[in-house]
Amino acid sequence: EAQVTQNPRYLITVTGKKLTVTCSQNMNHEYMSWYRQDPGLGLRQIYYSMNVEVTDKGDVPEGYKVSRKEKRNFPLILESPSPNQTSLYFCASSVRVDYGYTFGSGTRLTVV
Amino acid sequence: EDQVTQSPEALRLQEGESSSLNCSYTVSGLRGLFWYRQDPGKGPEFLFTLYSAGEEKEKERLKATLTKKESFLHITAPKPEDSATYLCAVQEGIGGKLIFGQGTELSVKP
Repeated sequence: EAQVTQNPRYLITVTGKKLTVTCSQNMNHEYMSWYRQDPGLGLRQIYYSMNVEVTDKGDVPEGYKVSRKEKRNFPLILESPSPNQTSLYFCASSVRVDYGYTFGSGTRLTVV
Repeated sequence: EDQVTQSPEALRLQEGESSSLNCSYTVSGLRGLFWYRQDPGKGPEFLFTLYSAGEEKEKERLKATLTKKESFLHITAPKPEDSATYLCAVQEGIGGKLIFGQGTELSVKP
């Protein structure tokens, strides 16, 4: 089944403890992206990657890192999480940057 | 500044009562406009991409249209299972930036 898989689905962590949210797609898509969704603010783009080793900032990149060493994986790294990063995170992929994206099921992160 | 504004924020319809959702945008060079459906607790599900003014696309009870300043998602004879939040997103230029609107929460009562 064609899909974008995120892990974990739920995560509660403490301020300052480094964490990684994984994202993997099995559709050989070149384009991948991370979003956060907050009530009243909608979906906001964090980072995107147009191909292996090519990443760029979205609208809210502060406090996040990404890497794209392989085509299928695009992990989101929070080096020192803070409570304002509590949010619902989505990873998405697409065969082309101007095609519709397939979204993962989301990761609900709580930073206390 | 690039912006995407959706209206109304919420819409309640009776089953069979047709209506339209609006997405207005201001970007310097539109590369694509996307419509997604999102159910509570789930990731957005792709519906349509529109690339140029005058383009229209249909899927079951949904029809999306595009002008130079806005897009409409028309819902004909909706059913309760059409209840969801509908998101509009705009892509500008050659990069990968994507801007989402706040969404319209649609509720269809039987």
